[in-house]
Amino acid sequence: GAVVSQHPSWVICKSGTSVKIECRSLDFQATTMFWYRQFPKQSLMLMATSNEGSKATYEQGVEKDKFLINHASLTLSTLTVTSAHPEDSSFYICSAADPTEAFFGQGTRLTVV
Amino acid sequence: DQQVKQNSPSLSVQEGRISILNCDYTNSMFDYFLWYKKYPAEGPTFLISISSIKDKNEDGRFTVFLNKSAKHLSLHIVPSQPGDSAVYFCAASDGTYKYIFGTGTRLKVLA
Repeated sequence: GAVVSQHPSWVICKSGTSVKIECRSLDFQATTMFWYRQFPKQSLMLMATSNEGSKATYEQGVEKDKFLINHASLTLSTLTVTSAHPEDSSFYICSAADPTEAFFGQGTRLTVV
Repeated sequence: DQQVKQNSPSLSVQEGRISILNCDYTNSMFDYFLWYKKYPAEGPTFLISISSIKDKNEDGRFTVFLNKSAKHLSLHIVPSQPGDSAVYFCAASDGTYKYIFGTGTRLKVLA
């Protein structure tokens, strides 16, 4: 099956700094990718839909200026958490889909101290 | 408003027995459903899917049943194995590939 690679798998950053997370589809071209966030013991919540060559579509309640999404090519989407705060600490997962299923990256555990 | 619900947060089953995980949804536009398994600090792993034109799909030890009139699907694992212990999420899509996830059920298979 298709593989989606996410990097880094974990990151610790200081409060106020920015962190970039990369999501790559390794063997198929993904015009659309999705970014999810999971809080401890909760479901994966869709944050935004990343569209190649155009602006991302954010779900209600997600700050687009805080979570910057760039989908510059058919195989790469990036999520940048700007001016990170401890409440941004979470598990972030990207996904790319083909007509039959969605493929998920390994996830990134972000800890803001 | 939670469009996809998994009302059992946890389930314990003896090894070798059947595990049944349930999922309910409210949006009648959902036409494609997936089950994922997730270990701590890892991304979800796809298990099995079903489209709304079917009521059953089987893959090895995993079978998913869909009852459209009840807006209910279930995942059966038989026989259950200790390695199946994980959190299971159902997810639904209305054809846009944007998936809405349930809240998850933590399955523990006892040896």
